[in-house]
Amino acid sequence: DTAVSQTPKYLVTQMGNDKSIKCEQNLGHDTMYWYKQDSKKFLKIMFSYNNKELIINETVPNRFSPKSPDKAHLNLHINSLELGDSAVYFCASSRASLDSPLHFGNGTRLTVT
Amino acid sequence: GDSVTQMEGPVTLSEEAFLTINCTYTATGYPSLFWYVQYPGEGLQLLLKATKADDKGSNKGFEATYRKETTSFHLEKGSVQVSDSAVYFCALSEGGSWGKLQFGAGTQVVVTP
Repeated sequence: DTAVSQTPKYLVTQMGNDKSIKCEQNLGHDTMYWYKQDSKKFLKIMFSYNNKELIINETVPNRFSPKSPDKAHLNLHINSLELGDSAVYFCASSRASLDSPLHFGNGTRLTVT
Repeated sequence: GDSVTQMEGPVTLSEEAFLTINCTYTATGYPSLFWYVQYPGEGLQLLLKATKADDKGSNKGFEATYRKETTSFHLEKGSVQVSDSAVYFCALSEGGSWGKLQFGAGTQVVVTP
């Protein structure tokens, strides 16, 4: 009964490949997010969707493309992977209000070689 | 823009010691403030929050008070346990953009027996 689940947990791939990370939440939340955590643990938002509509799109290379088939799912596709894309990617969800806490998945550790 | 500054780690303590992690923020409006905790290999979990000045958030023996006059939200615990070893993140929610949390850099806490 995991609230926010993302797959895979680990992803090791070579430069230039295309990969996807999937995320699903069963909390009934309207809003989902992708955050990137670098090797120094710094967290930065990448994208946010509310009811399948993109509402936050930070300065992220257009090689990164989120897709939300429904409000319970938010997937992240990355084209032409680069070494600098290596990080832990966290999916999260929340209700649509300013003080509503985020519920995070356990992360996907992406390693690009 | 809005930002969060928290003390650098790692912070190493003995069990039953007093823990303080400093967090200060800059914001143009009246943000909500949060502390999240990340245990090894897991996603972030909400530890506590405060939504307006002088509010005190508390959970699992941790406390933090929203101090508008000093723009601070310091985290404290009176007696830490080994199980409190984790990375702690201070965060604020930017007005008008729910879920777009601005995180501090995280503070690693190591509690030794």
